[in-house]
Amino acid sequence: NAGVTQTPKFRVLKTGQSMTLLCAQDMNHEYMYWYRQDPGMGLRLIHYSVGEGTTAKGEVPDGYNVSRLKKQNFLLGLESAAPSQTSVYFCASSYFNAGSGAQPQHFGDGTRLSIL
Amino acid sequence: KQEVTQIPAALSVPEGENLVLNCSFTDSAIYNLQWFRQDPGKGLTSLLLIQSSQREQTSGRLNASLDKSSGRSTLYIAASQPGDSATYLCAVPNNAGNMLTFGGGTRLMVKP
Repeated sequence: NAGVTQTPKFRVLKTGQSMTLLCAQDMNHEYMYWYRQDPGMGLRLIHYSVGEGTTAKGEVPDGYNVSRLKKQNFLLGLESAAPSQTSVYFCASSYFNAGSGAQPQHFGDGTRLSIL
Repeated sequence: KQEVTQIPAALSVPEGENLVLNCSFTDSAIYNLQWFRQDPGKGLTSLLLIQSSQREQTSGRLNASLDKSSGRSTLYIAASQPGDSATYLCAVPNNAGNMLTFGGGTRLMVKP
């Protein structure tokens, strides 16, 4: 019962470095999402994907890129890390029903990222 | 732009109390509303999803209600236990159903 798995769980980067966060889900969900959670700002959507090979911008996409080459994986990349990107990053996945809308999203345990 | 507000931001109650958490949203044209639980250092766990055509959903000691016309939802927790201590968040999707807007959460502490 893995559900949504995020790697790594913790990471410290220096300003300007790049890295990729990996999200994997084993529930055959079409939709996948990347959020960041910051004190006082709540959860905000960075990018999302409605299926393999598709990506779309969310509320706060600047400074991030994503790829969905396989249905089960959704990668979040930081091209040139900045201190403002220090946050907890959550990946989620869900089915989508055209009649009743988004189904419950299943979340990973998060990646805690610090940019020095 | 949809805005979601949760009141109170924090709540501390003795074990055994029944309690109500509130969620309000500005755009009533929603597909559904979801309630999540978040434990410290963990991701979110979906508790209840209420479709726009429903007025309430129940799961064990949890009951969530939805009043679209007034832009409000409540999460009722019966006979609270220390294990209920967590942050509770509500969220609503956009019209396309592919983006959630979250409230700021209510941090609940249930004291033994």
